Amino acid sequence: HLQESGPGLVKPSETLSLTCTVSGGSMSSSRYYWAWIRQPPGKGLEWIGNIFYSGNTYYNSSLKSRVTMSVDTSKNQFSLKLNSVTAADTAVYYCARLLGLTVSDHWGQGTLVTVSS
Amino acid sequence: SYVLVQPPSLSVAPGQTAKVTCGGINIKSKEVHWYQQKAGQAPILVIYDDRDRPSGIPERFSGSSSGNTATLTISRVEAGDEAAYYCQVWDSDNDHQVFGGGTKLTVL
Repeated sequence: HLQESGPGLVKPSETLSLTCTVSGGSMSSSRYYWAWIRQPPGKGLEWIGNIFYSGNTYYNSSLKSRVTMSVDTSKNQFSLKLNSVTAADTAVYYCARLLGLTVSDHWGQGTLVTVSS
Repeated sequence: SYVLVQPPSLSVAPGQTAKVTCGGINIKSKEVHWYQQKAGQAPILVIYDDRDRPSGIPERFSGSSSGNTATLTISRVEAGDEAAYYCQVWDSDNDHQVFGGGTKLTVL
């Protein structure tokens, strides 16, 4: 089970911060990567990045300059920070477990983050 | 970067077969995964590695890939299959996950 948490409203130019809490198993497995994926209202899915329990990351190049992902295996959590947000970053943000590097076999329910003053 | 192209919409009558396509250059060389997203819900995995079904996914869902096109086939379509369907691959040249734009399946 994965659960996203964080503010639902962020002001333009500020930093969006979300945490995904993983329950029902340890994050410290070499079988899995962990991902953030977002979906603007009425649009398709956009990959943000993947992180391994060791901290190894892959980021979407279109967001790389603004994204930081981190992992805290002691809390079974991983996090997303996206800085300098604009209205274009308004979306439902999902966290997901990946089998290996690519297959999102479990998703969180998603959390809507709105960027507005 | 690698691009996946899906038709925006598809309409099928109940009991018929729906074929959702996903186009990409030499997609046959990649492992394609498919997700179903019903309105207001998170996506769920319905096919992985071109043709494998996760446990709990009905046998009516199947996948294939050839040349530049991957296909998700839904046999004996039911009203409950109405959803958006997304294909996805890993672009190893750029270390990126890539999603198709999604196909909205309407059951008439």
